[in-house]
Amino acid sequence: EVQVVESGGGLVQPGGSLRLSCAASGFTFSSYWMNWVRQAPGKGLEWVANINTDGSQKDHVDSVKGRFTISRDNAKRSVYLQMNSLRGEDTAVYYCARIDNGPVDIWGPGTMVTVSS
Amino acid sequence: DIVMTQSPLSLPVTPGEPASISCRSSQSLLYSDGYTYLHWYLHRSGQSPQLLIYLASNRASGVPDRFSGSWSGTDFTLKISRVDAEDVGVYYCMQTLQTPVTFGQGTKVEIK
Repeated sequence: EVQVVESGGGLVQPGGSLRLSCAASGFTFSSYWMNWVRQAPGKGLEWVANINTDGSQKDHVDSVKGRFTISRDNAKRSVYLQMNSLRGEDTAVYYCARIDNGPVDIWGPGTMVTVSS
Repeated sequence: DIVMTQSPLSLPVTPGEPASISCRSSQSLLYSDGYTYLHWYLHRSGQSPQLLIYLASNRASGVPDRFSGSWSGTDFTLKISRVDAEDVGVYYCMQTLQTPVTFGQGTKVEIK
């Protein structure tokens, strides 16, 4: 079965750090771009970052640039999101998602990140 | 950044009746490969978003044929020919022509 599963969410204080992981299975992970998308409570979907197949190209939404970093390890079939200097507005469900020639076609169940003191 | 504007934001529907959601992009989503990088998703409460339509008019695998996508220029439409109770949730359009990838605000579909 083609799937991605996130882990690493939790409660963190403002200014703290968290590293999200996403484990992929059922497909040739190294052939696909990967993304992180989030949804804050009561809000819509927001793209956070993406990374190309070998990790040489990355992009992040402006609101997280300099604080979050996407990376991947093809040998481990995993993509990561290192989140530093966390703020209350980063509180959200974070989804790992695969891009397949245009659309994001596979989404994980999501992991909740709560930034609060 | 490409701005995606959906309407309506709320859509009460009657089972068995048709429904339509609009999405407008602030610039063309047509790429040099001839494809239009606009996609539609349904996000049911407590679940992950589900791909319905990709590249403006292609139904994703397993999606009922009552869902269809069309477009004219920068105006996109998702149509449900006959709404079913399982179609409730929030519908999003999304562009992947360029980063930042952007979504519409979402259209909440609920049964009357």
